[in-house]
Amino acid sequence: GQQLNQSPQSMFIQEGEDVSMNCTSSSIFNTWLWYKQDPGEGPVLLIALYKAGELTSNGRLTAQFGITRKDSFLNISASIPSDVGIYFCAGPSYGQNFVFGPGTRLSVLP
Amino acid sequence: EAGVAQSPRYKIIEKRQSVAFWCNPISGHATLYWYQQILGQGPKLLIQFQNNGVVDDSQLPKDRFSAERLKGVDSTLKIQPAKLEDSAVYLCASSLHTGELFFGEGSRLTVL
Repeated sequence: GQQLNQSPQSMFIQEGEDVSMNCTSSSIFNTWLWYKQDPGEGPVLLIALYKAGELTSNGRLTAQFGITRKDSFLNISASIPSDVGIYFCAGPSYGQNFVFGPGTRLSVLP
Repeated sequence: EAGVAQSPRYKIIEKRQSVAFWCNPISGHATLYWYQQILGQGPKLLIQFQNNGVVDDSQLPKDRFSAERLKGVDSTLKIQPAKLEDSAVYLCASSLHTGELFFGEGSRLTVL
Protein backbone atom coordinates (compact mmCIF):
# COMPACT_ATOMS: atom_id res chain seq x y z
CA GLY A 1 0.00 0.00 0.00
CA GLN A 2 0.91 3.64 -0.05
CA GLN A 3 3.51 4.79 2.45
CA LEU A 4 4.60 8.15 3.68
CA ASN A 5 8.08 9.05 4.87
CA GLN A 6 8.78 11.81 7.33
CA SER A 7 12.04 13.49 8.15
CA PRO A 8 13.65 14.01 10.44
CA GLN A 9 12.56 11.15 12.70
CA SER A 10 13.29 13.26 15.74
CA MET A 11 14.77 16.62 16.53
CA PHE A 12 15.99 18.53 19.55
CA ILE A 13 15.89 22.29 19.35
CA GLN A 14 16.32 25.26 21.64
CA GLU A 15 13.29 27.27 22.65
CA GLY A 16 12.88 30.15 20.23
CA GLU A 17 14.35 28.34 17.23
CA ASP A 18 12.48 27.67 14.01
CA VAL A 19 11.65 24.10 12.99
CA SER A 20 11.23 22.49 9.58
CA MET A 21 10.04 19.00 8.81
CA ASN A 22 8.80 17.31 5.69
CA CYS A 23 6.74 14.44 4.40
CA THR A 24 7.12 12.58 1.13
CA SER A 25 5.04 10.09 -0.78
CA SER A 26 5.75 7.81 -3.72
CA SER A 27 2.40 8.72 -5.23
CA ILE A 28 0.54 11.94 -5.94
CA PHE A 29 -1.80 13.27 -3.27
CA ASN A 30 -4.59 15.81 -3.61
CA THR A 31 -4.79 16.48 0.13
CA TRP A 32 -2.23 16.77 2.90
CA LEU A 33 -3.10 16.89 6.58
CA TRP A 34 -0.73 17.74 9.42
CA TYR A 35 -1.45 16.54 12.96
CA LYS A 36 0.20 16.94 16.35
CA GLN A 37 -0.06 14.26 19.03
CA ASP A 38 0.68 14.87 22.69
CA PRO A 39 1.47 11.92 24.98
CA GLY A 40 -1.65 9.98 25.91
CA GLU A 41 -3.86 11.95 23.54
CA GLY A 42 -5.27 11.51 20.08
CA PRO A 43 -3.81 13.41 17.11
CA VAL A 44 -5.08 16.97 16.70
CA LEU A 45 -5.46 18.49 13.25
CA LEU A 46 -3.15 21.46 12.70
CA ILE A 47 -3.40 22.33 9.01
CA ALA A 48 -5.15 20.92 5.94
CA LEU A 49 -3.87 21.53 2.41
CA TYR A 50 -5.87 20.92 -0.76
CA LYS A 51 -3.99 22.48 -3.67
CA ALA A 52 -0.48 22.04 -5.08
CA GLY A 53 1.68 25.00 -4.10
CA GLU A 54 -0.75 26.08 -1.37
CA LEU A 55 0.81 27.76 1.65
CA THR A 56 -1.33 27.85 4.79
CA SER A 57 -0.61 29.27 8.22
CA ASN A 58 -2.07 28.57 11.64
CA GLY A 59 -0.45 30.89 14.15
CA ARG A 60 3.26 30.07 14.27
CA LEU A 61 2.75 27.05 12.02
CA THR A 62 3.04 27.18 8.25
CA ALA A 63 2.53 24.24 5.93
CA GLN A 64 3.03 23.95 2.20
CA PHE A 65 1.63 21.53 -0.37
CA GLY A 66 4.59 20.63 -2.57
CA ILE A 67 4.37 21.56 -6.24
CA THR A 68 5.05 17.96 -7.29
CA ARG A 69 2.08 16.86 -5.11
CA LYS A 70 4.34 14.21 -3.61
CA ASP A 71 5.53 16.16 -0.63
CA SER A 72 4.55 18.63 2.05
CA PHE A 73 6.42 20.75 4.55
CA LEU A 74 5.62 22.01 8.02
CA ASN A 75 7.45 24.89 9.64
CA ILE A 76 7.15 26.10 13.21
CA SER A 77 8.53 29.53 14.02
CA ALA A 78 9.86 30.65 17.39
CA SER A 79 9.30 27.29 19.10
CA ILE A 80 7.96 27.15 22.64
CA PRO A 81 7.88 24.27 25.16
CA SER A 82 4.28 23.33 24.32
CA ASP A 83 5.36 22.54 20.75
CA VAL A 84 6.80 19.30 22.11
CA GLY A 85 5.09 16.27 20.63
CA ILE A 86 4.91 14.07 17.58
CA TYR A 87 3.95 15.59 14.26
CA PHE A 88 2.28 13.38 11.68
CA CYS A 89 1.47 14.00 8.07
CA ALA A 90 -1.40 12.17 6.42
CA GLY A 91 -2.66 11.82 2.90
CA PRO A 92 -5.51 10.02 1.18
CA SER A 93 -4.88 6.41 0.24
CA TYR A 94 -6.49 5.83 -3.13
CA GLY A 95 -8.93 8.60 -2.29
CA GLN A 96 -10.85 6.63 0.30
CA ASN A 97 -9.05 6.84 3.62
CA PHE A 98 -5.98 8.42 5.10
CA VAL A 99 -2.54 6.90 5.56
CA PHE A 100 -0.23 8.39 8.18
CA GLY A 101 3.50 8.88 8.19
CA PRO A 102 5.70 7.52 11.01
CA GLY A 103 5.93 10.95 12.64
CA THR A 104 8.58 13.47 13.61
CA ARG A 105 9.23 13.68 17.33
CA LEU A 106 10.02 17.22 18.46
CA SER A 107 11.75 18.07 21.72
CA VAL A 108 12.21 21.69 22.79
CA LEU A 109 14.97 22.48 25.24
CA PRO A 110 14.50 25.50 27.50
CA GLU B 1 -19.27 21.14 19.76
CA ALA B 2 -18.51 17.85 21.49
CA GLY B 3 -15.56 15.92 20.13
CA VAL B 4 -15.14 12.22 19.41
CA ALA B 5 -15.83 10.21 22.56
CA GLN B 6 -14.10 6.90 23.25
CA SER B 7 -14.21 4.41 26.10
CA PRO B 8 -12.60 2.89 27.97
CA ARG B 9 -9.43 5.00 28.07
CA TYR B 10 -7.38 2.08 29.36
CA LYS B 11 -7.80 -1.67 29.36
CA ILE B 12 -5.50 -4.45 30.53
CA ILE B 13 -6.33 -8.03 29.61
CA GLU B 14 -4.59 -11.34 29.31
CA LYS B 15 -3.93 -12.93 25.96
CA ARG B 16 -6.81 -14.93 24.54
CA GLN B 17 -9.34 -12.76 26.39
CA SER B 18 -11.74 -10.49 24.55
CA VAL B 19 -12.14 -6.71 24.68
CA ALA B 20 -14.49 -4.15 23.19
CA PHE B 21 -14.03 -0.45 22.54
CA TRP B 22 -16.75 2.09 21.96
CA CYS B 23 -16.74 5.29 19.93
CA ASN B 24 -19.25 8.09 19.50
CA PRO B 25 -18.31 10.40 16.63
CA ILE B 26 -18.92 14.11 16.27
CA SER B 27 -22.60 14.73 15.64
CA GLY B 28 -23.41 14.73 11.94
CA HIS B 29 -20.16 13.08 10.84
CA ALA B 30 -21.05 10.34 8.41
CA THR B 31 -17.59 8.79 8.17
CA LEU B 32 -16.06 6.91 11.08
CA TYR B 33 -12.60 5.33 11.26
CA TRP B 34 -10.82 2.97 13.61
CA TYR B 35 -7.04 3.23 13.64
CA GLN B 36 -4.49 1.15 15.51
CA GLN B 37 -1.41 2.96 16.78
CA ILE B 38 1.46 0.83 18.02
CA LEU B 39 3.98 2.59 20.23
CA GLY B 40 6.41 4.64 18.18
CA GLN B 41 4.42 4.37 14.94
CA GLY B 42 1.84 6.37 13.07
CA PRO B 43 -1.82 5.37 13.15
CA LYS B 44 -2.76 2.48 10.85
CA LEU B 45 -6.30 2.23 9.48
CA LEU B 46 -8.28 -0.82 10.55
CA ILE B 47 -11.71 -0.01 9.20
CA GLN B 48 -13.67 2.87 7.67
CA PHE B 49 -17.46 3.27 7.79
CA GLN B 50 -19.63 5.57 5.72
CA ASN B 51 -22.87 5.82 7.71
CA ASN B 52 -23.46 2.16 8.66
CA GLY B 53 -21.70 0.63 5.67
CA VAL B 54 -18.09 -0.55 5.51
CA VAL B 55 -15.97 1.37 2.99
CA ASP B 56 -12.60 -0.24 3.69
CA ASP B 57 -11.69 -3.09 6.03
CA SER B 58 -8.78 -4.45 4.02
CA GLN B 59 -6.33 -4.11 6.92
CA LEU B 60 -8.63 -5.48 9.62
CA PRO B 61 -7.46 -8.88 10.93
CA LYS B 62 -10.87 -10.41 10.50
CA ASP B 63 -10.01 -13.66 12.25
CA ARG B 64 -9.94 -11.79 15.56
CA PHE B 65 -11.13 -8.23 14.99
CA SER B 66 -14.68 -7.13 14.27
CA ALA B 67 -16.39 -3.76 14.14
CA GLU B 68 -19.90 -2.55 13.68
CA ARG B 69 -21.80 0.71 13.33
CA LEU B 70 -25.36 -0.53 13.33
CA LYS B 71 -27.32 2.73 13.39
CA GLY B 72 -24.77 4.85 11.55
CA VAL B 73 -23.75 6.74 14.67
CA ASP B 74 -21.65 5.09 17.37
CA SER B 75 -19.40 2.13 16.75
CA THR B 76 -17.77 -0.74 18.61
CA LEU B 77 -14.50 -2.49 17.85
CA LYS B 78 -14.00 -5.96 19.31
CA ILE B 79 -10.93 -8.15 19.60
CA GLN B 80 -11.40 -11.83 20.34
CA PRO B 81 -9.12 -13.53 21.20
CA ALA B 82 -6.48 -10.92 21.93
CA LYS B 83 -2.79 -11.50 21.19
CA LEU B 84 0.24 -9.83 22.74
CA GLU B 85 0.86 -7.90 19.51
CA ASP B 86 -2.57 -6.26 19.82
CA SER B 87 -1.19 -4.02 22.57
CA ALA B 88 -1.68 -0.56 21.11
CA VAL B 89 -3.80 2.56 21.25
CA TYR B 90 -7.05 2.23 19.34
CA LEU B 91 -8.07 5.57 17.91
CA CYS B 92 -11.49 6.45 16.62
CA ALA B 93 -11.87 9.35 14.20
CA SER B 94 -14.76 10.90 12.32
CA SER B 95 -15.11 13.26 9.41
CA LEU B 96 -17.92 15.17 7.77
CA HIS B 97 -16.83 14.02 4.35
CA THR B 98 -13.73 12.14 3.28
CA GLY B 99 -11.16 14.48 4.75
CA GLU B 100 -10.09 16.34 7.89
CA LEU B 101 -10.28 13.53 10.40
CA PHE B 102 -11.01 14.44 14.01
CA PHE B 103 -9.71 11.97 16.57
CA GLY B 104 -10.81 10.87 20.01
CA GLU B 105 -8.36 10.48 22.88
CA GLY B 106 -7.91 6.79 22.17
CA SER B 107 -8.26 3.55 24.11
CA ARG B 108 -4.97 2.11 25.30
CA LEU B 109 -4.91 -1.69 25.33
CA THR B 110 -2.29 -3.74 27.12
CA VAL B 111 -2.32 -7.48 26.51
CA LEU B 112 -0.35 -9.53 29.07
